[in-house]
Amino acid sequence: DVQLVESGGGLVQPGGSLRLSCTASGFTFNSHWMHWVRQDPVKGLLWVSRINDDGGSTRYADFVKGRFTVSRDNSKNTLYLQMNSVRVDDTAIYYCVRRGNIAGHYYLDVWGKGTTVTVSS
Amino acid sequence: EIVLTQSPGTLSLSPGERATLSCRASQTVYSTYLAWFQQKPGQAPRLLIYGASGRATGIPVRFSGSGSGTDFTLTISRLEPEDSAVYYCQQFASTPLTFGGGTKVEIK
Repeated sequence: DVQLVESGGGLVQPGGSLRLSCTASGFTFNSHWMHWVRQDPVKGLLWVSRINDDGGSTRYADFVKGRFTVSRDNSKNTLYLQMNSVRVDDTAIYYCVRRGNIAGHYYLDVWGKGTTVTVSS
Repeated sequence: EIVLTQSPGTLSLSPGERATLSCRASQTVYSTYLAWFQQKPGQAPRLLIYGASGRATGIPVRFSGSGSGTDFTLTISRLEPEDSAVYYCQQFASTPLTFGGGTKVEIK
């Protein structure tokens, strides 16, 4: 069964740090680019970051640039999101998402259940 | 950044009726890079349509996608009670990837 399981969410104070993990199973992890997408009731679904298959290329949304770092350990089938200097508006459900590709069609085809991050004092 | 505007905000229809959801992009999106998702309460989004018109694995044939350029449509041909959800369009054409604000489909 193809599966993504996030962990590491929780309550963190403004200015603090948190590391999210996403463990993949049921597919060849090192063949897929991976993304983080977050969702909150006000702003909806927002793309956060992506990393290519070997970890050598990353991109970030402007609102997390310089604060968040995406990485992966292909030997452990695990994706990470290091969140530093968190702000109240980083409060959201964070989803780990796989990028699929068929004949040049790119799509976010597998989503984890999400992990909730709450930033509050 | 490509802005995706979805309409209507809410659609309230009866079982068996046809639902037509719109997604308009602020600039041209090559159809290869346009997808639709369904999200039910407490669940992650689920891929319905990729490449503007390709049905993802396991998606019923009553779901279809069409469109090109800046205007895309998701059609649910005959609504079932389980189709009650929020539907999002999403573009892969450029970074940042962006999502529409969603259309809520309510079944009467």
